[in-house]
Amino acid sequence: QKEVEQNSGPLSVPEGAIASLNCTYSDRVSQSFFWYRQYSGKSPELIMSIYSNGDKEDGRFTAQLNKASQYVSLLIRDSQPSDSATYLCAVPRGGYNKLIFGAGTRLAVHP
Amino acid sequence: NAGVTQTPKFQVLKTGQSMTLQCAQDMNHNSMYWYRQDPGMGLRLIYYSASEGTTDKGEVPNGYNVSRLNKREFSLRLESAAPSQTSVYFCASSWTGGETEAFFGQGTRLTVV
Repeated sequence: QKEVEQNSGPLSVPEGAIASLNCTYSDRVSQSFFWYRQYSGKSPELIMSIYSNGDKEDGRFTAQLNKASQYVSLLIRDSQPSDSATYLCAVPRGGYNKLIFGAGTRLAVHP
Repeated sequence: NAGVTQTPKFQVLKTGQSMTLQCAQDMNHNSMYWYRQDPGMGLRLIYYSASEGTTDKGEVPNGYNVSRLNKREFSLRLESAAPSQTSVYFCASSWTGGETEAFFGQGTRLTVV
């Protein structure tokens, strides 16, 4: 089992809809979780971090964490074509010094 | 602020050649990382350095070596390049460990023919 797993997509949603991206992780002791966004040909950039069970909202983005089920999700409300990118889930491992990424989910928002 | 700077941006190597990818950060970060990104594989950790003077293997270290030259610089060396090392390489840094935000360089697109 991979340490961090994501559906590769592509996930296609219409403009204005909610996009839901999921990530599962293997290590129950993980405490921190990150979502990065990567536009084609560019570097990843952090958009959300979450440390506690429940929801964390930042503008149109909501991260949801369920440690018992070992999954973290990212919801994007009112999706825009500019949200079309690959979304990478990341979890620190190995004494928290190693930052491990999932394979990423490609999101396509169509007008 | 330059952030994380990688050189070169593009490189073509012949099989068996060696090269060093350079990375420098000006954010006074303690931790630095090297990743490679292949289509459909996400970012895979090659090596990381939790602090100046330490380096550790990541998920895919074979065929690579690293040097944490000082707090600012972390280089990645390919001793004998192979076509399987064709990839986009990203350097990243964070304040301390994987628990804090990682900032990425612009990437190096390496082709081994």
